[in-house]
Amino acid sequence: GQQVMQIPQYQHVQEGEDFTTYCNSSTTLSNIQWYKQRPGGHPVFLIQLVKSGEVKKQKRLTFQFGEAKKNSSLHITATQTTDVGTYFCAPDRGSTLGRLYFGRGTQLTVWP
Amino acid sequence: KAGVTQTPRYLIKTRGQQVTLSCSPISGHRSVSWYQQTPGQGLQFLFEYFSETQRNKGNFPGRFSGRQFSNSRSEMNVSTLELGDSALYLCASSLTGGNNEQFFGPGTRLTVL
Repeated sequence: GQQVMQIPQYQHVQEGEDFTTYCNSSTTLSNIQWYKQRPGGHPVFLIQLVKSGEVKKQKRLTFQFGEAKKNSSLHITATQTTDVGTYFCAPDRGSTLGRLYFGRGTQLTVWP
Repeated sequence: KAGVTQTPRYLIKTRGQQVTLSCSPISGHRSVSWYQQTPGQGLQFLFEYFSETQRNKGNFPGRFSGRQFSNSRSEMNVSTLELGDSALYLCASSLTGGNNEQFFGPGTRLTVL
């Protein structure tokens, strides 16, 4: 099955510090999606990366897809308390009946 | 446009019982996926339905089953409940599944006593 490792599992930062979570696959991916789940909430789609080496930005969030399309990262600059939550990557291998496999997520805590 | 709805939101059952959870996808979405979420385990894929057919299945025992109706609404059933089945069950809808963006419902919190 899909081998996806997301690290770190937990990250505690002080407000204003940067944060990065990584998603690593053992196989080449067709694309990868990122989701955020706030405490007590449900996952919400953030972005999809498709191209090798792709970089996308959403305000303070920067998403990257590796050149080999086997890994991806989400970087948050100057974290805020509103960034608290669990960030999941969801890689897709692009098979005919492709489906998403979610990583275990990185739980981010931000201290004010 | 209305989001994904799930009913009930909370459920308490005892071991050995069975339970049925319901999910209404966003209008026009034909794919519905179900996930089990427990602390520290992330989102574990249960199955995906598309046009009333199960298209993908995760590694869960046969006690977990589902179906999809012609209006794309979906139900999942868990028979002979075990304590370990206590979890948040999330359904997600998308236009056609696969690598389409998934829209999650609020989930059903199942507690098995």
